[in-house]
Amino acid sequence: QKEVEQNSGPLSVPEGAIASLNCTYSDRGSQSFFWYRQYSGKSPELIMFIYSNGDKEDGRFTAQLNKASQYVSLLIRDSQPSDSATYLCAVMWGGSEKLVFGKGTKLTVNP
Amino acid sequence: NAGVTQTPKFQVLKTGQSMTLQCAQDMNHNSMYWYRQDPGMGLRLIYYSASEGTTDKGEVPNGYNVSRLNKREFSLRLESAAPSQTSVYFCASSELAGGYTFGSGTRLTVV
Repeated sequence: QKEVEQNSGPLSVPEGAIASLNCTYSDRGSQSFFWYRQYSGKSPELIMFIYSNGDKEDGRFTAQLNKASQYVSLLIRDSQPSDSATYLCAVMWGGSEKLVFGKGTKLTVNP
Repeated sequence: NAGVTQTPKFQVLKTGQSMTLQCAQDMNHNSMYWYRQDPGMGLRLIYYSASEGTTDKGEVPNGYNVSRLNKREFSLRLESAAPSQTSVYFCASSELAGGYTFGSGTRLTVV
């Protein structure tokens, strides 16, 4: 059973702070890792993907991957109220295009 | 730039009724997916199609059937709706190893 675990939250941070979202996965065969943002009542939208160990930065977002620890994280710097959403971690296993999603972490950024 | 289009957006069914959820993408993606999203359960894969003419079961296929009509269209059919199928349904498409693009979702209530 391939599992993706996230803290459900809610995670609350003040505006301008760094928000840290964490995700662990069960299978070492995992190849690709994705972060989606989902606003209430809307569909998920892709914000980051990472395939290799280390950090990947895109604007205020940094994805971090540690395959040895089976751990992937998303850092949001200078958090804004517009970042308030549920963040979904998703994992793609080798040989498959199917994504397994975590249950999501709800983030609230307080002005 | 339509992306992934789902119809209908909302639907109320009586137990035992049937219906088909429609999905179409204009990005020339090979792979298409149907997920359901329930509170506390996250996104769960119902069926997917790796290419035109092929379909395969996901995590929660019972009570559903799918048709990959052509490269653009992938429909999901509920033959005899049950209250347990009350959910938000998302269609998505992707290129190999790429992130998914989701449709706007169908909110289905079975009474």
